[in-house]
Amino acid sequence: EVQLVESGGGLIQPGGSLRLSCAASGFNFSKYEMNWVRQAPGKGLEWVSHISASGRTVYYADSVKGRFRTTRDNAKNSLFLQMNSLRAEDRAVYYCVRAVTGDYWGRGTLVTVSS
Amino acid sequence: QSVLTQPPSVSAAPGQRVTISCSGSSSNIGNNYVSWYQQFPGTAPKLLIYDNNKRPSGIPDRFSGSKSGTSATLDITGLQTGDEADYYCGTWDFSLSARLFGGGTKLTVL
Repeated sequence: EVQLVESGGGLIQPGGSLRLSCAASGFNFSKYEMNWVRQAPGKGLEWVSHISASGRTVYYADSVKGRFRTTRDNAKNSLFLQMNSLRAEDRAVYYCVRAVTGDYWGRGTLVTVSS
Repeated sequence: QSVLTQPPSVSAAPGQRVTISCSGSSSNIGNNYVSWYQQFPGTAPKLLIYDNNKRPSGIPDRFSGSKSGTSATLDITGLQTGDEADYYCGTWDFSLSARLFGGGTKLTVL
């Protein structure tokens, strides 16, 4: 069974940093591209980042470019999102999503940016 | 404002059919596959349609997708009250090098 479990969310002050993790299981993680997608409270889906299966190619939404960094550890079946210079508008549930099609989603982890 | 345009809401009676549109451009829908997602309040989105018109295992054939030019459509037939949810389209935009989602459509089954 494919499972994606996000962790690392929480309350952080504006300007702070947070690192999200996604533990993958039930499939050959190293063969799949992965994404981070977020959803602010009461709002729609917003794509954040895409990373290739090897980790060599990464794309970011303009809203997070230069502040967020996506990496992966295929040996540990894990995906990461390092978030720096956090802003109030980064407050959202962050989902770990498998593949270009988005065929599997984690349950998400909530990030709250507030003083 | 999303690059992919969806109607904010649609409604229909149980048993009826509803169509949700997703309008884009040649840099996204026009040249890439479209996916559709269903999301119930408080839960993660779920893939309904991928590659424009394919259904993952377990998705009823009441749900179907199509694409024509720079627009895509999700059709739901035999509406059930349990279909009440938010629906999102998604695709890649090669001009922006970004994954895009529509703004979402709230389906109400009257």
